[in-house]
Amino acid sequence: DTAVSQTPKYLVTQMGNDKSIKCEQNLGHDTMYWYKQDSKKFLKIMFSYNNKELIINETVPNRFSPKSPDKAHLNLHINSLELGDSAVYFCASSQGPMNTEAFFGQGTRLTVV
Amino acid sequence: RKEVEQDPGPFNVPEGATVAFNCTYSNSASQSFFWYRQDCRKEPKLLMSVYSSGNEDGRFTAQLNRASQYISLLIRDSKLSDSATYLCVVTRDTGRRALTFGSGTRLQVQP
Repeated sequence: DTAVSQTPKYLVTQMGNDKSIKCEQNLGHDTMYWYKQDSKKFLKIMFSYNNKELIINETVPNRFSPKSPDKAHLNLHINSLELGDSAVYFCASSQGPMNTEAFFGQGTRLTVV
Repeated sequence: RKEVEQDPGPFNVPEGATVAFNCTYSNSASQSFFWYRQDCRKEPKLLMSVYSSGNEDGRFTAQLNRASQYISLLIRDSKLSDSATYLCVVTRDTGRRALTFGSGTRLQVQP
């Protein structure tokens, strides 16, 4: 069983559309994250949830809205998609203090045309 | 200045070579340190944690110098399968539970 799974793996959509990416982890972890990896391969934290509570919200346009229905799920909804949103979005989870390993999903490659 | 800086490479080395990657971080309050590995079009995976005393895992050795805010990774006897991007990772500060990634150093091991 995949530890952190996200869907879809690929997403091609037009500018202006609204789309969602889903993430689920079966590791029993308390903390989940969304990271964005741009064309220069730089991974940057977007959001972090701990037990369904938002604890990190980086400087991200408010078109991006995370939702955590329970601690095993963290979804990402994006409104009014722009060309600059094209990137790979990774979901991740970790347990305990920050010196524990983070497990990443396989990524969602979003292309906005 | 970026929080975590790495030489992007690429490092092209022959099989069997020893290669070293360096990383510097700007936040002296950083708590924990890691090296992650990312294969092409795959997710990052933890390679090893880094401790002040240094640690070794087979052919891989990681070192941390808190005074200089410097982290290193040494790979001995490189294998073709070591070809990947190596990401230097630090935690930002207490209570915020997020990993801060460097932009990665690409390694290509050649036969």
